[in-house]
Amino acid sequence: DAGITQSPRHKVTETGTPVTLRCHQTENHRYMYWYRQDPGHGLRLIHYSYGVKDTDKGEVSDGYSVSRSKTEDFLLTLESATSSQTSVYFCAISNPHRGGGYLQPQHFGDGTRLSIL
Amino acid sequence: AQTVTQSQPEMSVQEAETVTLSCTYDTSENNYYLFWYKQPPSRQMILVIRQEAYKQQNATENRFSVNFQKAAKSFSLKISDSQLGDTAMYFCAFMEGVGGNQFYFGTGTSLTVIP
Repeated sequence: DAGITQSPRHKVTETGTPVTLRCHQTENHRYMYWYRQDPGHGLRLIHYSYGVKDTDKGEVSDGYSVSRSKTEDFLLTLESATSSQTSVYFCAISNPHRGGGYLQPQHFGDGTRLSIL
Repeated sequence: AQTVTQSQPEMSVQEAETVTLSCTYDTSENNYYLFWYKQPPSRQMILVIRQEAYKQQNATENRFSVNFQKAAKSFSLKISDSQLGDTAMYFCAFMEGVGGNQFYFGTGTSLTVIP
């Protein structure tokens, strides 16, 4: 299994509080991603990173920010949590190779269940 | 943006039987990749099988195989000899081949294998 650790695994917090989720990898993969998973929506991309200090928005980025100061760590921050951000959050990593015809698929962490009351 | 559609929210199959999960996608790209992921109750996302669009041969991994119809933009997953451990949510995913770095997921199909 790919070395991806998400922390915390579970968190309950109140509306309006800041929340930071951490994703740590030991694979030295270039790309890191944050998804949220909600019933009826599958997985939706929040933000992703293609290198240290290089990040970009995904489909549902409003209300979230990210930072990547080291290759191995990708942080997701909810500056002021809202109940609509209650979800399961997944981190993923990949190291795409183009031109060679072989693509490393995304490997996922075990998820963080976040409940905002 | 690319879209991936899984039109079967729930399916069930008898143990040892064969089941097919459907997936369609919409893209104007010619070079791309398709994947099926499995998410059991443990919540882990596990890669089941992948297919490169430039390959005409359908991918196979043990009891799992795909029927890739590029012209129809269809990518179905066939599970043969279904086992109780196959009970899970299955997600179809798409990734662009050139310049692509995002995965697009379908909404999932919940598969139950009945003893």
